[in-house]
Amino acid sequence: IAGITQAPTSQILAAGRRMTLRCTQDMRHNAMYWYRQDLGLGLRLIHYSNTAGTTGKGEVPDGYSVSRANTDDFPLTLASAVPSQTSVYFCASSVSPGNTEAFFGQGTRLTVV
Amino acid sequence: QKEVEQNSGPLSVPEGAIASLNCTYSDRGSQSFFWYRQYSGKSPELIMFIYSNGDKEDGRFTAQLNKASQYVSLLIRDSQPSDSATYLCAVYRMDSSYKLIFGSGTRLLVRP
Repeated sequence: IAGITQAPTSQILAAGRRMTLRCTQDMRHNAMYWYRQDLGLGLRLIHYSNTAGTTGKGEVPDGYSVSRANTDDFPLTLASAVPSQTSVYFCASSVSPGNTEAFFGQGTRLTVV
Repeated sequence: QKEVEQNSGPLSVPEGAIASLNCTYSDRGSQSFFWYRQYSGKSPELIMFIYSNGDKEDGRFTAQLNKASQYVSLLIRDSQPSDSATYLCAVYRMDSSYKLIFGSGTRLLVRP
């Protein structure tokens, strides 16, 4: 079944540890996005990629990095996790940036202790 | 000021009524506007999109866009308890590249 897959589904992480959240899509979408969702704050854009090989900073990029080596994969890395990064993380993709709907993965619930 | 603003609610309406959800955005260069629905613990899913000024209808849903006033709204006719969810407004903004920015969402509660 075509779609967008995130891993892990949930994770408890010790502060200071490095963590990579994985995101893979098989729809050949050009654009991909990472959001975090916290209660009352909606979805906030962390990083995005309009096409393979390019990335950009969103609204809340500090403490996170991404790469887009190919069309399908868009991993999000927390270099040194802090408790304020406790959140639900959603990866999304769209056919093209600017005018098409985004499809979301199932989310990763991350708790940093 | 957030780029995309929504009233957090909850907006409570009786079953069968019209629910009106509003969203304003700050960047006049914004284009392509989307409404997503998100049930608790689930991922957002697209309800409607609108690109041009005016109304766009799809079943019980109508999206309205007014670029001069920088607002977009979603009307839900004949509201059902199953419509109870959080509704997220999203806008593509273009500066050096395209960013899809979301509002904080409005929680809708439809009372049976």
